[in-house]
Amino acid sequence: DAGVTQSPTHLIKTRGQQVTLRCSPKSGHDTVSWYQQALGQGPQFIFQYYEEEERQRGNFPDRFSGHQFPNYSSELNVNALLLGDSALYLCASRLWASSGYEQYFGPGTRLTVT
Amino acid sequence: KQEVTQIPAALSVPEGENLVLNCSFTDSAIYNLQWFRQDPGKGLTSLLLIQSSQREQTSGRLNASLDKSSGRSTLYIAASQPGDSATYLCAVMAVSGSARQLTFGSGTQLTVLP
Repeated sequence: DAGVTQSPTHLIKTRGQQVTLRCSPKSGHDTVSWYQQALGQGPQFIFQYYEEEERQRGNFPDRFSGHQFPNYSSELNVNALLLGDSALYLCASRLWASSGYEQYFGPGTRLTVT
Repeated sequence: KQEVTQIPAALSVPEGENLVLNCSFTDSAIYNLQWFRQDPGKGLTSLLLIQSSQREQTSGRLNASLDKSSGRSTLYIAASQPGDSATYLCAVMAVSGSARQLTFGSGTQLTVLP
């Protein structure tokens, strides 16, 4: 049973650049959420995708955007990178109609902005 | 706005000791509460999920309790081992909104000394 996978593992970008992170959900899951975790902090909700639509967004600027594909995989795009965007980006998946709503997390992508 | 607090922020104990990690949340209208483990630079591993209608869950040496009315949860670890060293995160799932987003605490960094 394939768990949640993310790529790349690590990424170094320069201020002002753009970055794309990728996530494949756990087998059978149709809903993908993205979280940002700054060093020493808990993860913060960025947004969630279901049926290729953004369902809910956290308190993040429009520089953060996403996409979900028909196979349920998802991308997170960040434009005009700032030093403060350096963080671990986590993807979580679940089944939209599940009764328990348990979410499963991937290993994350470590983004460093210099 | 839901806020989750974890106390203590860091804890160091000798091997074999039993310990309790605390989590509190401000809005008792939650769907469930999840405890996660995070090793340095890694993703999140789900330890225990407690639905809002439940009082506790157990898995091996771990026991988590939930008192929704008082906005508190505890994670009890019995007979701690050096391999338990990690950051433990508590997260509550919102009732409102379709995304069922998680709100996390900042975690308790546990060190078990051999």
